[in-house]
Parts: sequence; structure tokens; C-alpha cells
Amino acid sequence: QSVLTQPPSASGTPGQRVTISCSGSSSNIGGNTLNWYQHLPGTAPKLLIYSNNQRPSGVPDRFSGSKSGTSASLAISGLQSEDEADYYCAAWDDSLKGPVFGTGTKVTVL
Amino acid sequence: EVQLVQSGAEVKKPGESLKISCKASGYRFTSSWIGWVRQMPGKGLEWVAIIYPGDSDTTYNPSFQGQVTISADKSITTAFLQWSSLKASDTAMYFCARHTNGFDFWGQGTMVTVSS
Repeated sequence: QSVLTQPPSASGTPGQRVTISCSGSSSNIGGNTLNWYQHLPGTAPKLLIYSNNQRPSGVPDRFSGSKSGTSASLAISGLQSEDEADYYCAAWDDSLKGPVFGTGTKVTVL
Repeated sequence: EVQLVQSGAEVKKPGESLKISCKASGYRFTSSWIGWVRQMPGKGLEWVAIIYPGDSDTTYNPSFQGQVTISADKSITTAFLQWSSLKASDTAMYFCARHTNGFDFWGQGTMVTVSS
């Protein structure tokens, strides 16, 4: 079972800003950096944000991440149709001694 | 260029054994963790296990401990995930991925179907 909690869904119209939350505990988000992944059906997940707020090369600056205490959030500004996907947060968990994923959020572009 | 290339789809019967592979290239295989992630049909991502090929240090998600075995062969820069006795509930897509600051590079996925 996931130890990081996300809302099951989020939506917006093209151009809008959408925010996804991720809640954990002191053994994961509270003590380690957070990553975000974008997963389109039928493809491999893609690292979107690492170390809380860093974007890998090639990821548009429309995507931004933040972390505070045991919670984090991903913001997508200027929402585009190609942003329709599942989004997962993830962090190292010191108790499990491994990476844990969030429950996932399906973003729909209306 | 970092690449992870996984073995092809498998269809097995309950009770059979299976070993799937993930061939890594484009980076120093022994210097990064590599792991397996499961996605059951219609469900989210779950970490299964990770291994550090440099010294074979391994960690399993407690939910998978005893159910699967992760291994790596440095000589052929390949990681493996194996089952000794498959169950129908093992039916899923399995991804391998390199773990540095998060899982930064992923394989294309291996679909495992277990059905009688």
C-alpha cells in the first residue's frame, strides 16, 4: 500500500493552473527529497521533478514543485492537452529503506 | 545515452517460475541503484525492490519480501527480477528504472500475465 497520499483526480481547462498535493510523514517527505513522475498510458513513467523543485533537462518550466514539512505539491501552469496523464509523487522512506510512491493523481484537461 | 532495455512480454501459468531482465547501458552500472516497479492493471505504481550492483546490496518492499528475488550481473550490466512460483495476482506491468535522485531513467516495461 502507498504511504504517500494524493487526491485521485484534478482537472482544468487549457491555460489554467492545476495543483496536486502529496502528503507523507517524517520518515519519507519530512526527511528526504521528493520527486514527481508523469505517466502516460502505455509508456514508461517520466521523471518530472527531482529534489523537491528541480526539473530534468527537457521538462518545461510550466511544471514546478515545492515541499514544506511532510507535504509537497506539484503545480502545472498553462495547462495543455498533452499534460493529461497520471502524476505520482515519490520519496525515499527511511523506515522501509526504499523509495515509496504516492497513490497517484489523474489530471484531466477539460 | 542511458538506456534500459527490458525483456519481452511473458504469459505463464500459476506455479511456474519466471526471470525477467533489464539490460543497462550508457552509464557505470555498478555505481547506481537499479530497481523494479510494478503496475497492476488499473492501479498505481509500487516499488518492488532495488539493488546496488556494485556490492549487490538489496532492499525489498516488505509487501514483496519473499515473493520475488532481485539480482544483478555486473559482467553483462543486467538486472533481473524472478519468481519461483507465480500467482495470478502477479499479473502486472513491471518496469525497471535507475535510481539516483529518484528513478531517472526507465525501461519500456515487461508485461507479465499469469493465467491458467
